[in-house]
Amino acid sequence: DIQMTQSPSSLSASVGDRVTITCRTSQTISNYLNWYQQVPGKAPKLLIYAASRLQSGVPSRFSGTGYGTDFTLTITSLQPEDFATYYCQQSYDVPNTFGQGTRLDIK
Amino acid sequence: QLVESGGDLIQPGGSLRLSCAASGFTVSRSHMTWVRQAPGKGLEWVSLIYNGGTTYYADSVRGRFTISKDNSKNTLYLQMNSLRAEDTAMYFCARVESDSWEWFDPWGQGTLVTVSS
Repeated sequence: DIQMTQSPSSLSASVGDRVTITCRTSQTISNYLNWYQQVPGKAPKLLIYAASRLQSGVPSRFSGTGYGTDFTLTITSLQPEDFATYYCQQSYDVPNTFGQGTRLDIK
Repeated sequence: QLVESGGDLIQPGGSLRLSCAASGFTVSRSHMTWVRQAPGKGLEWVSLIYNGGTTYYADSVRGRFTISKDNSKNTLYLQMNSLRAEDTAMYFCARVESDSWEWFDPWGQGTLVTVSS
C-alpha cells in the first residue's frame, strides 16, 4: 500500500496568514493526489484534484503543487471558514490511501 | 446529492446494510466509493465499485463487506457482516469522478455505525 505522510499534524494560524501543508508519499504517484477539507461534524469537501487543479467553486486562495512523491497545499490569506482539517489522498493505486490529516486552528 | 442511511448500534458479529441514495446523477454510470472515519480519527478508504462492476476493498474489510449498486433505485450499498468493534465509524459514500485522474466528489453526510455489546 502507498503510505501518506502529512506535516504538520496540526498548526495554529491567524486570519490573513499564509499556510502550507505538506504531503509525502511512500512511492511515486505522478500527480494522482487530491486534497480535501473537513469541518467538524461535516463530510469532507474536495478542494484540489490532480495535485494542482482547483475544484469548481473553491476559492482561489487555495492552491496545490507537486509531482512524484512531494506535494503541498497552500492557503493564502486565511479566512475564518478555513479553520478545519485537511487531508491528502492518492488515487494512483488501490487502496486509495489518505494522509493522517492536518488540523488548522485559530491562533 | 448523496444521502446515506442504515447506520445503527449493532452487536459484534452482527450484520448491517448501509444505503447511499443518489440524486442528480446515475449511479449505474458512475464509479462509487465508501470511506469511513472512526470517532476522532482520520479518513479511511473502505471500498470502491467501478461502473463496469469491478470492486476493490481495504484489507481490513475484505471478505466481510460487499459493495453493490441497485441501478433501478439509483442507490449504492455496503453490506457489512461479521462486524467488529473497530468497524465503529461514520461511513461516507462518494462518487468517484474520473478524467485521467480520479477524485471523490460529492460526498454524502455520513451514517454512523456503532459496534458494541
